[in-house]
Amino acid sequence: AQSVAQPEDQVNVAEGNPLTVKCTYSVSGNPYLFWYVQYPNRGLQFLLKYITGDNLVKGSYGFEAEFNKSQTSFHLKKPSALVSDSALYFCAVRDMKRTGGGADGLTFGKGTHLIIQP
Amino acid sequence: GAGVSQSPSNKVTEKGKDVELRCDPISGHTALYWYRQSLGQGLEFLIYFQGNSAPDKSGLPSDRFSAERTGGSVSTLTIQRTQQEDSAVYLCASSLVIRGSSGANVLTFGAGSRLTVL
Repeated sequence: AQSVAQPEDQVNVAEGNPLTVKCTYSVSGNPYLFWYVQYPNRGLQFLLKYITGDNLVKGSYGFEAEFNKSQTSFHLKKPSALVSDSALYFCAVRDMKRTGGGADGLTFGKGTHLIIQP
Repeated sequence: GAGVSQSPSNKVTEKGKDVELRCDPISGHTALYWYRQSLGQGLEFLIYFQGNSAPDKSGLPSDRFSAERTGGSVSTLTIQRTQQEDSAVYLCASSLVIRGSSGANVLTFGAGSRLTVL
């Protein structure tokens, strides 16, 4: 079975400082990895994905994530946080050995609240 | 349409009543997903539709839950005899399934329908 862990319920960062939101995964095959962001009363918005190739993936709003196969991690990072980055962040995985749940169906982590303090 | 539309945005109902939640996916997207977002539980997969194929119902929590998709477009999620534990935000997502890129396609989410069962 595939699973995703986001070990921190909440991350607090001062504006202008670098931020990291952690994600680890477990799959039986090769993973496709995603980050989504959810602002209050909004649906999830796609940030970035890792499919294959370069382990460092760049996405929307200056975010990036690094795929680390040996540590089974896909942490989300940004060099300089903005107050507007405050939101709920979800890591998700698609196990390419999995059947069912839809061709693009994802297993999501529980989410991490990112709070950027002015 | 330009995005995934869901209605109603908020629904308050009494225990034991039936509710219907509607999703209008992006035009041309053949895949449609329903997820449930409960407080502190992340996103839980419910059901998946792809074209004319039989839906994947593996995530439905009980036989009180059902969904249909008419004409390959609009979908309705029905919850019969609602219980308080059904209170959650129900998210719909759609994707354009591109042959050869299964698993890598991005899901576009609606804003969700918040269900409160009293």
